[in-house]
Amino acid sequence: DAGVIQSPRHEVTEMGQEVTLRCKPISGHDYLFWYRQTMMRGLELLIYFNNNVPIDDSGMPEDRFSAKMPNASFSTLKIQPSEPRDSAVYFCASSFGQANVLTFGAGSRLTVL
Amino acid sequence: AQSVAQPEDQVNVAEGNPLTVKCTYSVSGNPYLFWYVQYPNRGLQFLLKYITGDNLVKGSYGFEAEFNKSQTSFHLKKPSALVSDSALYFCAVRANTGGFKTIFGAGTRLFVKA
Repeated sequence: DAGVIQSPRHEVTEMGQEVTLRCKPISGHDYLFWYRQTMMRGLELLIYFNNNVPIDDSGMPEDRFSAKMPNASFSTLKIQPSEPRDSAVYFCASSFGQANVLTFGAGSRLTVL
Repeated sequence: AQSVAQPEDQVNVAEGNPLTVKCTYSVSGNPYLFWYVQYPNRGLQFLLKYITGDNLVKGSYGFEAEFNKSQTSFHLKKPSALVSDSALYFCAVRANTGGFKTIFGAGTRLFVKA
């Protein structure tokens, strides 16, 4: 398996633009997590899915953020409109079962100018 | 609510010396506990986990961690540090009931000096 695949790896955009980050989890994994990493806040859980259903989105910063998982092999995190404070590395991770480890993607580094 | 505390921003140790990276947690019920490592410009990688059973857990690259329920701690240890162990280490906790989100600590940067 190729692991968790995220795209794009790097994104530079201007304030106000829409940003879409993509994630392909490991085949067979039933949990998918979106995290954001910044120097100030560390690693924050934004939202997680179980069997494609959003379970907890309490970490999503505000209405500008939305996440979807239309099927078991694809998820998106969208920011509209983007702001400079959204600049961070966004990680997607997946796992199988409740007690199992997370496998992380390489991350998407977002810079909003 | 779940929480994880890593009290040290950075740990410095000489190569060959033992290392300890501290972690305490708060969670309802019995926890699932994890350690992950992050190298520059990479995603997090799994090191070891505690689910149940023996309080001493052995993991990758010679690392181990001890679960202490009374102190709600899960410290990461290694008997002899290597320069290549220098990285950012994260402790994480997942509740075993009522939702299974995994919460991470702030991270501890380990610096091993040759």
